[in-house]
Amino acid sequence: AQSVAQPEDQVNVAEGNPLTVKCTYSVSGNPYLFWYVQYPNRGLQFLLKYITGDNLVKGSYGFEAEFNKSQTSFHLKKPSALVSDSALYFCAVRGGASGGSYIPTFGRGTSLIVHP
Amino acid sequence: EAQVTQNPRYLITVTGKKLTVTCSQNMNHEYMSWYRQDPGLGLRQIYYSMNVEVTDKGDVPEGYKVSRKEKRNFPLILESPSPNQTSLYFCASSRERDYEQYFGPGTRLTVT
Repeated sequence: AQSVAQPEDQVNVAEGNPLTVKCTYSVSGNPYLFWYVQYPNRGLQFLLKYITGDNLVKGSYGFEAEFNKSQTSFHLKKPSALVSDSALYFCAVRGGASGGSYIPTFGRGTSLIVHP
Repeated sequence: EAQVTQNPRYLITVTGKKLTVTCSQNMNHEYMSWYRQDPGLGLRQIYYSMNVEVTDKGDVPEGYKVSRKEKRNFPLILESPSPNQTSLYFCASSRERDYEQYFGPGTRLTVT
């Protein structure tokens, strides 16, 4: 069965500092990986995805993520955090045509708090 | 404006009283799905639809029904709601299965 782990329930970072939100996954075959952000009382918004190609993926709002096949990780990063980045972040994985489930599996979410 | 809409946004009901949560998208997307979000569990997919008249179970389909008679609409039906279905529900759509999903604003359901 496929799975996603977001090992940190909460990440605290000072404004202007780099941030990392961690995600590791387990899936059969090649993974389709996604990051979404959820602001209070809102639905999830897509940030970025990895399906194939360059391991470094750039997305919305200055976020990027690095796909690491050997470590089965897809950590979300941003060089300089903003207070407005404070939100709940979800990593998601699903299998591709080579195996795994087409039903996406979401992590439990990581609350990012950026302090002024 | 491209969007996914859900109604109602908030609903309090009693055990056993049938209810429907509507979902509509204006992006001509093929793929639609329903999720529930519970604290500490993330999002779990209830049902999904690849196209009109094509639906399939997700990870937690028990107690729910869906239909896809039109491309833009994907209602979620709870025939006999129970307290364990108290949750935050999201509808989502995407151009195709492999693409990123667009989420609605959510429906907070309380079953007493």
